[in-house]
Amino acid sequence: AQSVAQPEDQVNVAEGNPLTVKCTYSVSGNPYLFWYVQYPNRGLQFLLKYITGDNLVKGSYGFEAEFNKSQTSFHLKKPSALVSDSALYFCAVRDMRQAGTALIFGKGTTLSVSS
Amino acid sequence: DTEVTQTPKHLVMGMTNKKSLKCEQHMGHRAMYWYKQKAKKPPELMFVYSYEKLSINESVPSRFSPECPNSSLLNLHLHALQPEDSALYLCASSSGGAGYEQYFGPGTRLTVT
Repeated sequence: AQSVAQPEDQVNVAEGNPLTVKCTYSVSGNPYLFWYVQYPNRGLQFLLKYITGDNLVKGSYGFEAEFNKSQTSFHLKKPSALVSDSALYFCAVRDMRQAGTALIFGKGTTLSVSS
Repeated sequence: DTEVTQTPKHLVMGMTNKKSLKCEQHMGHRAMYWYKQKAKKPPELMFVYSYEKLSINESVPSRFSPECPNSSLLNLHLHALQPEDSALYLCASSSGGAGYEQYFGPGTRLTVT
């Protein structure tokens, strides 16, 4: 069975400090991994994805993620956090069933950036 | 244009009502999805349409009935809902191929009274 785990319910960082939101995965075969962000009362916004190639993936709003096959991890990072980055973050892996591209989401991590 | 639109934004309905949620995208995407999301929880997949055909139904109760009239539109018909069905209903679309990201609409906040 495929799954993703986000071990932290909440991450707190000070503005200007680097941030990391953790994600580990369990899949058979090559993983297709995604990060999404959700602001209050909004839909999910796509940040970045790893399909193949370079292990360091750069995405929207200055975010990046590092794919680590040996540790089965895909942690989201940003060098300098902004208060406006405060939101709910979801890691997801592509569901390999059938012909669809459905996603399996982690439970989510709330990021709180203080000024 | 990477926008997925959903109407209405908010919906309050009684348990005997019939209502519909609407989703629209004009990105040429061939896969469309309905998700249900409770507060501070991940989205739960309900239905997937691929090339206008239902490809995944995650054992959703029959009081939820999806419809895909054409490649740009996706509806979710609601009938005889329960209070526990109150949630944010999200629509998404994607190119349908492996590795393509999904684009989400803003959702419809549904309250069942």
